Amino acid sequence: GIQVEQSPPDLILQEGANSTLRCNFSDSVNNLQWFHQNPWGQLINLFYIPSGTKQNGRLSATTVATERYSLLYISSSQTTDSGVYFCAVETGNQFYFGTGTSLTVIP
Amino acid sequence: DVKVTQSSRYLVKRTGEKVFLECVQDMDHENMFWYRQDPGLGLRLIYFSYDVKMKEKGDIPEGYSVSREKKERFSLILESASTNQTSMYLCASSTRRYEQYFGPGTRLTVT
Repeated sequence: GIQVEQSPPDLILQEGANSTLRCNFSDSVNNLQWFHQNPWGQLINLFYIPSGTKQNGRLSATTVATERYSLLYISSSQTTDSGVYFCAVETGNQFYFGTGTSLTVIP
Repeated sequence: DVKVTQSSRYLVKRTGEKVFLECVQDMDHENMFWYRQDPGLGLRLIYFSYDVKMKEKGDIPEGYSVSREKKERFSLILESASTNQTSMYLCASSTRRYEQYFGPGTRLTVT
């Protein structure tokens, strides 16, 4: 199956700082999503982004499918951004999640 | 907004019991999924259903079965629960283009 690697595995930020999370995948994919898992375990959709760039408020994402990576940008981070960020890919009805980036934003 | 609900947030069962986890979605999605999430192992797909009564095995189907009798409902069944099935179980539904939406999860403890 496809390998999905996320970096960094852990990140600690001061409130207000910016960050970039990366997702690398080992083969071509049809779809890619970014999720935020909050402290209660709920996975919240951030972006559905098989290619291109999207923005939603302080968050934006870019997927370069030909180079097999995606980036999630968080600007002006807030304590509510804390949690684990996952990317997930789909190819040929196979679904794979990365191991996540654990983000802690301190006041 | 898409809403995916799961029957329980927390569940405690004994070894050998038959366990049913229920998932319901309200967006008329064709696809539904069951994952388990374990520390250090991430999310792993157990089963996937692309239509009523249709299913495909995921990465870790052993010890589990599923049922989809109605489009909105997808059930995960542990035929004889074991302690290694203690985990967080997450249900999702998706559009045809596989944009997935998750329920709140069920933390199952098997003692």
